[in-house]
Amino acid sequence: QSALTQPPSASGSPGQSVTISCTGTSTDIGGYNYVSWYQQLPGKAPKLMIYAVNKRPSGVPDRFSGSKSGNTASLTVSGLQAEDEADYYCSSYAGSVNILLFGGGTKVTVL
Amino acid sequence: EVQLVESGGGLAKPGGSLRLSCVASGSGFSFSKDWMTWVRQGPGRGLEWVGRLKSSGSTDYAAPVKGRFTISRDDSKNTVYLQMNSLRSDDTAVYYCTMGYSDSAGSYHGDEAFDIWGRGTMVLVSS
Repeated sequence: QSALTQPPSASGSPGQSVTISCTGTSTDIGGYNYVSWYQQLPGKAPKLMIYAVNKRPSGVPDRFSGSKSGNTASLTVSGLQAEDEADYYCSSYAGSVNILLFGGGTKVTVL
Repeated sequence: EVQLVESGGGLAKPGGSLRLSCVASGSGFSFSKDWMTWVRQGPGRGLEWVGRLKSSGSTDYAAPVKGRFTISRDDSKNTVYLQMNSLRSDDTAVYYCTMGYSDSAGSYHGDEAFDIWGRGTMVLVSS
């Protein structure tokens, strides 16, 4: 089972929106509504930002939103702020082999 | 609030072994009911799921570590372990332990969403 595919980088100016894609297959993203997104700041552990495709844990700003279409999930950060500059990882449950897959990560730069 | 602290990392030779520990502390959780997952991150690389241990005791592992790594737990010590044997250079990474997320509706996402992470412990496999 291969890792999920994310673009290596994305950027936007403060106040703009940036969308990160995460592409898998019908046996992972496309087959289950179990996509999560994590934010990782340098030298820190990941932080859960989105779970179950589009749900936000308490405390996560509503500027962060998730969606899914077919085998591709997306994370949108609206109203970009300097503090949003980080690496973002998607993950998906792959039920056929009962494992979890991560994407390669996307570095978001706030210009 | 729950905290996870990993330990046991260090330098190991190729073919060698290490055992990592992860201790959970705090309030508002029942360790024996939580699913514990190990995730690793190689130098300059992305996150990689290593494996999980369900509250039932069943385990699942990623293909690269299957047959070499074993996850176990001691509920009396609120501790989960990662026994790593036949280590290879590509096992070099920071190893994080994580706990599944329980949302406000009471649903448990032990398989696929992790809201509590330790700070990680570094494993370096080198001769």
